[in-house]
Amino acid sequence: DQQVKQNSPSLSVQEGRISILNCDYTNSMFDYFLWYKKYPAEGPTFLISISSIKDKNEDGRFTVFLNKSAKHLSLHIVPSQPGDSAVYFCAASEGNYGGSQGNLIFGKGTKLSVKP
Amino acid sequence: NAGVMQNPRHLVRRRGQEARLRCSPMKGHSHVYWYRQLPEEGLKFMVYLQKENIIDESGMPKERFSAEFPKEGPSILRIQQVVRGDSAAYFCASSPETHSEKLFFGSGTQLSVL
Repeated sequence: DQQVKQNSPSLSVQEGRISILNCDYTNSMFDYFLWYKKYPAEGPTFLISISSIKDKNEDGRFTVFLNKSAKHLSLHIVPSQPGDSAVYFCAASEGNYGGSQGNLIFGKGTKLSVKP
Repeated sequence: NAGVMQNPRHLVRRRGQEARLRCSPMKGHSHVYWYRQLPEEGLKFMVYLQKENIIDESGMPKERFSAEFPKEGPSILRIQQVVRGDSAAYFCASSPETHSEKLFFGSGTQLSVL
């Protein structure tokens, strides 16, 4: 039973436009959410995160939105650049502030292709 | 500014052999995590270790898999009597402290079992 779901295996976007990657989760105990970016033959790289007490976090071209009632989060990249082409993983953790640490639950990833 | 170092990058084993995967955390990091990624899947947590201690091994298969992080040297993930289903990318991550949501990942070891 997947607790973190990324239902779109791939997404293709034109350079300069907005990329929106979606993620749904089922476990209401998750209190911290992260996005990782992964290039081929490399390990995942932390991109941006959000705690459950917020509904938005922004870092440059990257913004993560959290809708707790819908158990949904999304990553917006604007403007998209060819170098953003990678696999993006959504991850969640439970009890980050006092509970287990480092046990991240990952989605299966969405492969983003940004075309010049 | 060395990141998390994993070796080997690629490891080929025949069924029944042992696989040893090594991970050196980032300098100053004392927490190590191992994750496994099967083809077309997301990363799955296996084990969390601090120096000489296993903190959380809830994701480790009950048999054939073990992990250690000795006082000196890298962390080792050991798989005994490998089977084809063990073929996967194994990623190590480290963090400087507990409750750190930002894990720094190595480039992984791709294990292929023939």
